[in-house]
Amino acid sequence: DTAVSQTPKYLVTQMGNDKSIKCEQNLGHDTMYWYKQDSKKFLKIMFSYNNKELIINETVPNRFSPKSPDKAHLNLHINSLELGDSAVYFCASSQDRQGVNYGYTFGSGTRLTVV
Amino acid sequence: DQQVKQNSPSLSVQEGRISILNCDYTNSMFDYFLWYKKYPAEGPTFLISISSIKDKNEDGRFTVFLNKSAKHLSLHIVPSQPGDSAVYFCAASVYNQGGKLIFGQGTELSVKP
Repeated sequence: DTAVSQTPKYLVTQMGNDKSIKCEQNLGHDTMYWYKQDSKKFLKIMFSYNNKELIINETVPNRFSPKSPDKAHLNLHINSLELGDSAVYFCASSQDRQGVNYGYTFGSGTRLTVV
Repeated sequence: DQQVKQNSPSLSVQEGRISILNCDYTNSMFDYFLWYKKYPAEGPTFLISISSIKDKNEDGRFTVFLNKSAKHLSLHIVPSQPGDSAVYFCAASVYNQGGKLIFGQGTELSVKP
């Protein structure tokens, strides 16, 4: 009964490949997010969706495309992977659109390694 | 241009004593602040938050203090327990910006028995 689940947990792939990371939450939350934790350990927002609507799209390359088929799912597709895409990607959800009163619930992360 | 900074990468404390984790920010528009705890190979877990209209919020062993004039907040853990050993992230938000959080780089707390 995991609250926010991401798959896969680890992903090793070659440069130039296309890959997807899936995220599902069973909390009934309206808002979902993708964050990237880089090599310096900073967590930076990439996207947020509220009820399938894109709310935040930070300065992320066009190679990254989020897709939200319903409010319980937010998947991340990455085209033409580059070495610099290697990072840990965290999916999260929040009860409200602000994410501050009860915080986010994070998934356990997907460690992407591009070789 | 890091708007949220945790200048201590690590902190070591004896079990039973107080742990104080610090965080500084530069953007005066921030009106919510949060602390998260992270164990290895897991996602961050929400601990406690505070709005800018308050200067203190308490939840059990965890207390967050906010000093707006100094643009500084701190998390106090009393008493510290070995299970508190983790990385602690400070985060800040501007309300009505879609829930975007700006995170600090984390402080690794080690509580020794």
